[in-house]
Amino acid sequence: LAKTTQPISMDSYEGQEVNITCSHNNIATNDYITWYQQFPSQGPRFIIQGYKTKVTNEVASLFIPADRKSSTLSLPRVSLSDTAVYYCLVGDMPSGNTGKLIFGQGTTLQVKP
Amino acid sequence: SAVISQKPSRDICQRGTSLTIQCQVDSQVTMMFWYRQQPGQSLTLIATANQGSEATYESGFVIDKFPISRPNLTFSTLTVSNMSPEDSSIYLCSVDTGDLYTEAFFGQGTRLTVV
Repeated sequence: LAKTTQPISMDSYEGQEVNITCSHNNIATNDYITWYQQFPSQGPRFIIQGYKTKVTNEVASLFIPADRKSSTLSLPRVSLSDTAVYYCLVGDMPSGNTGKLIFGQGTTLQVKP
Repeated sequence: SAVISQKPSRDICQRGTSLTIQCQVDSQVTMMFWYRQQPGQSLTLIATANQGSEATYESGFVIDKFPISRPNLTFSTLTVSNMSPEDSSIYLCSVDTGDLYTEAFFGQGTRLTVV
């Protein structure tokens, strides 16, 4: 599984858009990019997954450039409840090893009022 | 989706003792996984719990220390044996449902403190 690099921490204010970038220079052809969110005292929760270009759901957007060596998780208009750790993972998700996840250090997002 | 229940949610244990953590899923799943999250750290995969066969352990984790059972497709246990304060962590159970775009589902974790 490809290694990922993210900023250790980020600060934002309520109502702002937050963009967290993840580097994955060694991503393989079959790899997907997945983001998880973890609140204190809870297990990680799936946010979004993509392979290329742009993916959007009710929670976030995921932007993936053509070379796929990085990706950006975009959280629109964050609130205090978005304060959490965000993990970027890369792997051959749909084809096996789907739950065998390699977590990087994650990005701790602190949203301030 | 899958709903995962872990028991206990937390425990304080004496060093040298063992604790068994239970993981129950509300649907049959092929793969179950156990992770450890040390204080302030990310998650590390301990092992894959296979139904009908021995668990597969990741580098740095051994069966004698972390024996795992998987008696059926909805249940697994992880035992932390002969505990020391260094075993104080959150232990999480995870499953995947095998859908095309797979997401893994996690239990709420078991917070273990060894004194």
